[in-house]
Formats: sequence, C-alpha cells, structure tokens
Amino acid sequence: AQRVTQPEKLLSVFKGAPVELKCNYSYSGSPELFWYVQYSRQRLQLLLRHISRESIKGFTADLNKGETSFHLKKPFAQEEDSAMYYCALRPVNRDDKIIFGKGTRLHILP
Amino acid sequence: ETGVTQSPTHLIKTRGQQVTLRCSSQSGHNTVSWYQQALGQGPQFIFQYYREEENGRGNFPPRFSGLQFPNYSSELNVNALELDDSALYLCASSYRGQGDYGYTFGSGTRLTVV
Repeated sequence: AQRVTQPEKLLSVFKGAPVELKCNYSYSGSPELFWYVQYSRQRLQLLLRHISRESIKGFTADLNKGETSFHLKKPFAQEEDSAMYYCALRPVNRDDKIIFGKGTRLHILP
Repeated sequence: ETGVTQSPTHLIKTRGQQVTLRCSSQSGHNTVSWYQQALGQGPQFIFQYYREEENGRGNFPPRFSGLQFPNYSSELNVNALELDDSALYLCASSYRGQGDYGYTFGSGTRLTVV
C-alpha cells in the first residue's frame, strides 16, 4: 500500500535552531517525493521536490531509499517558517495521484 | 497567468442534500485533481480528470462524481450528503505532458453539512 507517514503533529523549535520534519513513505517502487507548505490563510503550495535537488527558503530534503525517508531540514529556523508542512508521494507512474501525509505544524518560538 | 479559483468559498448544506463545487484551472493546465481535507488531516485524493474523463479515483463512494469541461474547468458533485462530508475540498490543476507536473492548488471550498 502507498502511504506517507509524518510522525509529528506539532513541532516547536526556537528561532535560530535547526529544524527537521520527519517523513517516511511506503511504496514498492521508486516514487517522486514532495514537500508542500501551507502558511496561515494561504493556499497549499509546493515547497520542494526531490528530483530537483534544490534548496528553497533554506530548506532541503534528501531521499533515502534505504530508510524510505524524505526528511525536511533547515539549519536555522526563522519565524516566517511557521506553517503546516505536508510530505507527499507520487508513484512512478507520473499520471497517478499524489498521496499526502497528515502534516506537521511547525511553530517557531521567538 | 491566472491561478486556480474555486467557488464558492464556504457552503452550508443539510444532510441528504446535493452539492456542486466548481474549479477553474490555471491557464495552460489540462488536468484537475480533487482532494478532501478533513480537519487535522492531510488532503485525501478523490479523483482526477484529464481530457474530460475520470483518470484515477481514491477511496470515495460513487455519490462523489465530477466533470471536466472543454476549457479544463471542473465540477465536483456530492449526492446524499452525510455529516462526515464536512471538510475543505481542494482543487489542484496541473499539466500532463512534457515538463513539470507540479500541482497548483486553489484556496478550497469549506463545506459544512448539518
């Protein structure tokens, strides 16, 4: 079964501290992985995707196929990073649906 | 370039009624996906439309149906509404073809069934 697991519902981090949002997936093939973010009163938007290997707003995520993980990291948290973060998976068939995790709320403490 | 627009933004319906939600896709996009997001949950895939046909469906009963029009806009219809249908319904458009296949989401329609 295809599944995305985000074990933390809420993560509170002090400003300037490192951030790591955990994501594990279950899929037999080679999926495409994403992180989506939803800031307060804004729509869901793509933060980054593993195939592009880029850093967006200081965030990076590495796909670890051995551990089936795609954790989101940032070395120094900023207050504007407070938001809801969703890890998502698309099966290898690019025409298929995107499956979302339940999300983690990141709260940056001043 | 216009984004994804959904209407209405909020809706209150009575159990047993029927509802239609609308979505205009982003310019240049030809595929529309619908998601249901219950409170405290991630978006759950309902179905996707491409070339005016359903192309993939999640674990939702047949009373959830949809349409896609020649201009790529889409409707989500829900019959015999139940209390558990109360949720935020998200529409996402994308382009199926060469190049990026990223989703652009609308702001959603919040449906409350009483």
